[in-house]
Parts: sequence; structure tokens; C-alpha cells
Amino acid sequence: TQLLEQSPQFLSIQEGENLTVYCNSSSVFSSLQWYRQEPGEGPVLLVTVVTGGEVKKLKRLTFQFGDARKDSSLHITAAQPGDTGLYLCAGVDTNAGKSTFGDGTTLTVKP
Amino acid sequence: KAGVTQTPRYLIKTRGQQVTLSCSPISGHRSVSWYQQTPGQGLQFLFEYFSETQRNKGNFPGRFSGRQFSNSRSEMNVSTLELGDSALYLCASSLVVSVAGFFGYTFGSGTRLTVV
Repeated sequence: TQLLEQSPQFLSIQEGENLTVYCNSSSVFSSLQWYRQEPGEGPVLLVTVVTGGEVKKLKRLTFQFGDARKDSSLHITAAQPGDTGLYLCAGVDTNAGKSTFGDGTTLTVKP
Repeated sequence: KAGVTQTPRYLIKTRGQQVTLSCSPISGHRSVSWYQQTPGQGLQFLFEYFSETQRNKGNFPGRFSGRQFSNSRSEMNVSTLELGDSALYLCASSLVVSVAGFFGYTFGSGTRLTVV
């Protein structure tokens, strides 16, 4: 069974601070995705990383895929209250036709 | 373009009853997956359908079943409901899941099922 561990589980910061969320596994994934979920809604895809060592930037968000394709990180620069939400990483196993989700990091950005 | 539509949004059922949830994927998306989300277990994979065939199944009891129609719309059914089935049920559509790559899910807003 492939497992993904996210840390920290909860994060509460002030507007303008930087933060990093981690997603770790002992398994290798075909690719890895990050999603953000707001209360009462489904997760929304932020990014897909495919190549080991890949770095993708989405405005103030920077995503990195580990060289061995077992781990990933999400870094947010100058966090804003609108960044508040549940951040989920998901490892893709195309052979099994499914994604394995981490338990998520609940981020609260206070104005 | 229209997103993934799940109906109903909220549902309250009694133990022992059965329930059917519906999902209409994004036009052109032929793969539909279902996930159960609970505070304690996170998102757990239920099953995935493609071209009306269940291709993959998670570790859920046989009370959980689903199907997909020729227009890619999907339904999931839970029979003999238990209190522990209370959860947010999410439907996700995607382009073909293949060894060539996976483009990520587009999730619906979910159906919040409460079993009393």
C-alpha cells in the first residue's frame, strides 16, 4: 500500500509570512499533484509534477518534486488570507488507475 | 465549460437504508473516479470507471457499488447504510488515465451524506 505523509498537519501564520508544506512517501509515483480544498467544496488541482527534480512556479507558489519521485514540497511566499485552505498532495499510480492522497495540511493565514 | 456536477449536495439517511449518488463529468472526460472523504481517514479511493467498465476498486465492502453510463455519467450506490458511512463523497473526472500520463482530477463539490 502506497502512503503519503504530509507535514505539518496544521499551520497558522500571519499574512506576509512564508511557509513550506511537505509530502513524503517511501513509494515512487508516476507523477504527483497538489490540490487545494476549501470548506464545502471539492479539491482543486494546483499543479502536476512529473519529472524527478522538477520545480514549478505558480505565482507565489513553488512546487518541487524530489529527485527520486518519492517526495514533494510546496512553498508559499508572502502568504495571503486567500491562501487559507486544505492542501493535499496526491501520488499518481497510473498502473493502478488511481491517486493516493495525503491527509492534508490545513493552512490558516490571518490578516 | 461546465464542471463536474454532483447531486444531491446534501443527504440525510437512516441506518439500513440505501442511497444513490450521481455524478456528471466534464464533457470529454471518460474516466470517473469516486472518493470518500472523512476527517479521520482523509480521501479514500472507492472505484474508477472508464467506458462503462469498473477498472479499479479500492478497499471498501461490497455495499459500495457504482456504474457508469454510455454518456460517462456515473452513479454510486451504498446499501445497508451504517453510521460510519457518513462522509463527503467526491466524484472526480479526468482525461484518460494511462501509463502515458495523468492530467489530474477535476472534482465535483461533493455530496455530504449523513447517516443517523
